[in-house]
Amino acid sequence: NAGVTQTPKFQVLKTGQSMTLQCAQDMNHEYMSWYRQDPGMGLRLIHYSVGAGITDQGEVPNGYNVSRSTTEDFPLRLLSAAPSQTSVYFCASTPSRGWYNSPLHFGNGTRLTVT
Amino acid sequence: AQSVTQLDSHVSVSEGTPVLLRCNYSSSYSPSLFWYVQHPNKGLQLLLKYTSAATLVKGINGFEAEFKKSETSFHLTKPSAHMSDAAEYFCVVSSTGNQFYFGTGTSLTVIP
Repeated sequence: NAGVTQTPKFQVLKTGQSMTLQCAQDMNHEYMSWYRQDPGMGLRLIHYSVGAGITDQGEVPNGYNVSRSTTEDFPLRLLSAAPSQTSVYFCASTPSRGWYNSPLHFGNGTRLTVT
Repeated sequence: AQSVTQLDSHVSVSEGTPVLLRCNYSSSYSPSLFWYVQHPNKGLQLLLKYTSAATLVKGINGFEAEFKKSETSFHLTKPSAHMSDAAEYFCVVSSTGNQFYFGTGTSLTVIP
């Protein structure tokens, strides 16, 4: 049982480049989300989705795009990377039904550096 | 609106002594509360959760937390710290609105 899988684990980008962070889960969870983790700031929500075809913005959505074409996949796109996007990114999922009672399941993270 | 305040950014304890990590929350509705642990360069692992059942919640690795509605607190405790407990701990609240709210984390150091 793989759970939540994130790729790549590490990435270095130059300012202005674009890339996609991949996230896949095999638990048939309807709710998926992306967080960024910065020192002293905890985890901040970027975007989330409550099901295929439905996405919404979180606390820090600027500079990021998402889509949800399948239940399993929830990629995060950086449109034009900036040094302020240097961070560790986590994907997390949870069952949608009674979701707020169910804990988030996390991937192992992607460490992104923008130079 | 929901929010979480972790009252200590760093806590140091000696091995074998009790651990107390403090968390206060704000929620307009009956909340669900969680504690997660993150070891260095790792993902987040669920320690325990409160979802309106028993107010004293037992988790993995000997940790437990008590939900106190009157104090809006959900403090994490462990009777005896082990070296392997050294990590970052996050308190999380959720209720309605499709979002989970994270505290800024408490870094636990265990001194041998």
